[in-house]
Amino acid sequence: NAGVTQTPKFQVLKTGQSMTLQCAQDMNHEYMSWYRQDPGMGLRLIHYSVGAGITDQGEVPNGYNVSRSTTEDFPLRLLSAAPSQTSVYFCASTPGREETQYFGPGTRLLVL
Amino acid sequence: AQSVTQLDSQVPVFEEAPVELRCNYSSSVSVYLFWYVQYPNQGLQLLLKYLSGSTLVKGINGFEAEFNKSQTSFHLRKPSVHISDTAEYFCAVRTGANNLFFGTGTRLTVIP
Repeated sequence: NAGVTQTPKFQVLKTGQSMTLQCAQDMNHEYMSWYRQDPGMGLRLIHYSVGAGITDQGEVPNGYNVSRSTTEDFPLRLLSAAPSQTSVYFCASTPGREETQYFGPGTRLLVL
Repeated sequence: AQSVTQLDSQVPVFEEAPVELRCNYSSSVSVYLFWYVQYPNQGLQLLLKYLSGSTLVKGINGFEAEFNKSQTSFHLRKPSVHISDTAEYFCAVRTGANNLFFGTGTRLTVIP
């Protein structure tokens, strides 16, 4: 198993540009989540999904969209990037309610 | 509402000395508690977790943590640290819809 994979590893955007951060897992996990990590603030939940076709907002959802058309993929879309979205983004998955979350390696995003 | 407080943002400690990283949580419902470690430029890796049962939990790399319900704490300890333990450590709590709430992290620096 490759586990949780994220692409790209690094990205530089200009303000107003759009992009999609990809996340995939090959463990057949139902739950998937997106977090952002900022210095001094730990990780904060952006959006999550409890299964294909079901998504919900986390703590900091503004400026981001998600969809979950398959169990394996959970892309995160930035519709109009802002400098405040400069961060490291982590995708995670877990098989069930009490199970460990498995994190991807992260995507480092810089918005100029 | 859930919250996690990591009281120390940075902890320097000499090699082979003991270390304790503090974590307090607040929640009005039953919680599951986790410690994750993040090595430089990497994703998060689970160190240990408390779901139920024995309040003393042993994890990987010689770490352990004790769940104290009356003090709402879940402090992480290691009796003798190694250079390779230099990393950032995150305490997290999970309730409800399987989402993690993270503390702001503690950067452990082991001094040779």
